[in-house]
Amino acid sequence: SYVLTQPPSVSVAPGQTASITCGGNNIGSESVHWYQQKPGQAPVLVVYDESDRPSGIPERFSGSSSGNTATLTISRVEAGHEADYYCQVWDNSGDHVVFGGGTKLTVL
Amino acid sequence: EVQLLESGGGLVQPGGSLRLSCAASGFTFSSYAMSWVRQAPGKGLEWVSIITGNGRTYYADSVKGRLTISRDNSKNILNLQMNSLRAEDTAIYYCAKDGYYHPFDYWGQGTLVTVSP
Repeated sequence: SYVLTQPPSVSVAPGQTASITCGGNNIGSESVHWYQQKPGQAPVLVVYDESDRPSGIPERFSGSSSGNTATLTISRVEAGHEADYYCQVWDNSGDHVVFGGGTKLTVL
Repeated sequence: EVQLLESGGGLVQPGGSLRLSCAASGFTFSSYAMSWVRQAPGKGLEWVSIITGNGRTYYADSVKGRLTISRDNSKNILNLQMNSLRAEDTAIYYCAKDGYYHPFDYWGQGTLVTVSP
């Protein structure tokens, strides 16, 4: 079955850029989606189809994907961006939804 | 405004059963796939099951044969019948819109299921 691998944690100083990676076999050919989840809250979609943003999501959230790695980038990070971030794809071969293990973003 | 409201969670003994429901509003329910996603305490998101608008169903291997997803398009209700429950099924269960070749664009607030003696 398809596996998505994320680093457990990423730390960044306020005002800097955070990059969260999601590794998967040939993920560059998949539609990758990203979710933000703050403690005690339901997940929120922040990027879909590698690089598109839902309405209401600021431009500081962006995504890219190539080869075996997809990346969520958050520019000008602030304390309010502290959360867990998950990548997700639809696995065509297994007819399954697949989530990455999640990355905890800490703002120093 | 899209709203998803889960209900039916609670405490159940191992081997027991529970039925979750999700009331949907604000969109044409029958036109979209609907999913259940769960999150064990302190853990990541785990996809459970999905049902397409016309009733095709898919399950995670960990729940196949024990959990059954269904929908009532006349009442805009998504269900999850949970049988033979195990301790490892303890989680918050989220109802989410779509997921079938598309992202989950809306999520409910979740309902907690606890499987314990």
